[in-house]
Amino acid sequence: SAVISQKPSRDICQRGTSLTIQCQVDSQVTMMFWYRQQPGQSLTLIATANQGSEATYESGFVIDKFPISRPNLTFSTLTVSNMSPEDSSIYLCSVGPTEDTQYFGPGTRLTVL
Amino acid sequence: RKEVEQDPGPFNVPEGATVAFNCTYSNSASQSFFWYRQDCRKEPKLLMSVYSSGNEDGRFTAQLNRASQYISLLIRDSKLSDSATYLCVVNIGRDDKIIFGKGTRLHILP
Repeated sequence: SAVISQKPSRDICQRGTSLTIQCQVDSQVTMMFWYRQQPGQSLTLIATANQGSEATYESGFVIDKFPISRPNLTFSTLTVSNMSPEDSSIYLCSVGPTEDTQYFGPGTRLTVL
Repeated sequence: RKEVEQDPGPFNVPEGATVAFNCTYSNSASQSFFWYRQDCRKEPKLLMSVYSSGNEDGRFTAQLNRASQYISLLIRDSKLSDSATYLCVVNIGRDDKIIFGKGTRLHILP
């Protein structure tokens, strides 16, 4: 199974600033995903990050707000730009999906004041 | 109709009891089905896949009903450690897109 780490684990940020979240995997993976889980809600896919190509964003999410980097097969970053309180959420990266499973990082808990 | 729907609960169940959750999905072309477990303030983790023939893993049994487009999870002899949110997850088969239900909260009472 893949072991995934995320940094930071939590942060409190001011409105209008940006935060970059890092996701590191202990093995090479083709596809990485970024999810958002707002309080009391389930997970919503933000984008798919493939190495060597532009990220693919889901409806309602745009690159200017959530720029993603995928410089190699074990690492990705998600930036939450020009934050507002509505961006307060847990952000999770994952690898997969495969027929069998999807592995999640521990999440980054973001609070925007 | 939402793509994946679950009863949010909470289900408050005494220890040792049997509890069952259902989840319905709207896309008849969906190909893969899973139950994930999410503990409070933790990331989701795969509990079990759901196969057409049904599958069992210890106290947990998952069933798929394609005709009615629902999947179920049965937990027998529930333990305090089973308290968590159970997420129904469906791979709708389009670009391997995974849809998560909102989850069903389970509280096992001593």
